[in-house]
Amino acid sequence: GNSVTQMEGPVTLSEEAFLTINCTYTATGYPSLFWYVQYPGEGLQLLLKATKADDKGSNKGFEATYRKETTSFHLEKGSVQVSDSAVYFCALSDRNQGGKLIFGQGTELSVKP
Amino acid sequence: DAGVIQSPRHEVTEMGQEVTLRCKPISGHDYLFWYRQTMMRGLELLIYFNNNVPIDDSGMPEDRFSAKMPNASFSTLKIQPSEPRDSAVYFCACGTGINDEQFFGPGTRLTVL
Repeated sequence: GNSVTQMEGPVTLSEEAFLTINCTYTATGYPSLFWYVQYPGEGLQLLLKATKADDKGSNKGFEATYRKETTSFHLEKGSVQVSDSAVYFCALSDRNQGGKLIFGQGTELSVKP
Repeated sequence: DAGVIQSPRHEVTEMGQEVTLRCKPISGHDYLFWYRQTMMRGLELLIYFNNNVPIDDSGMPEDRFSAKMPNASFSTLKIQPSEPRDSAVYFCACGTGINDEQFFGPGTRLTVL
């Protein structure tokens, strides 16, 4: 079945450091891919998405490129801020499997001043 | 729009009691999802509705759990009887398409003693 695997956290960085959170997926079809962010005490919010191979999603300085050849959707940001501290979830949605969102386990990011 | 509204935000109850969680989705969003989030199991989809009709309840853990959506603006998730292992944060989410962006509520933190 479909699945999403993320790098384990917590990830601790200093302000202005470069961020990469790895995400790989397994899917039988051609899924859409998402990154959601969860700030403390809140629900998840969509950060960015990509719907087909080689698409790049971007928002708030974050980027991720849909790589079909490596089945990956790694999240990157060039310079993190303290306000980026949150839990980040990679997810996929496959129309061939009913289209439900399947989430990775989440990666906690902590950015220190 | 106020976004997805969930109530209560926190619930503490004793084992064996009935618990009812409530959700008001964003107007015009035809899909409604119930998720459970725990440290051990991450984010799990319990059930989702389309146009008030339950479509997939394969994630509902057992018969103690039930969900209803009597109209487009209201849904409930009921646990009867509750058990300590049901302690989790329960999220309601909604969207306009099965594999489009989902909008999450703030969650209900349930503690069963």
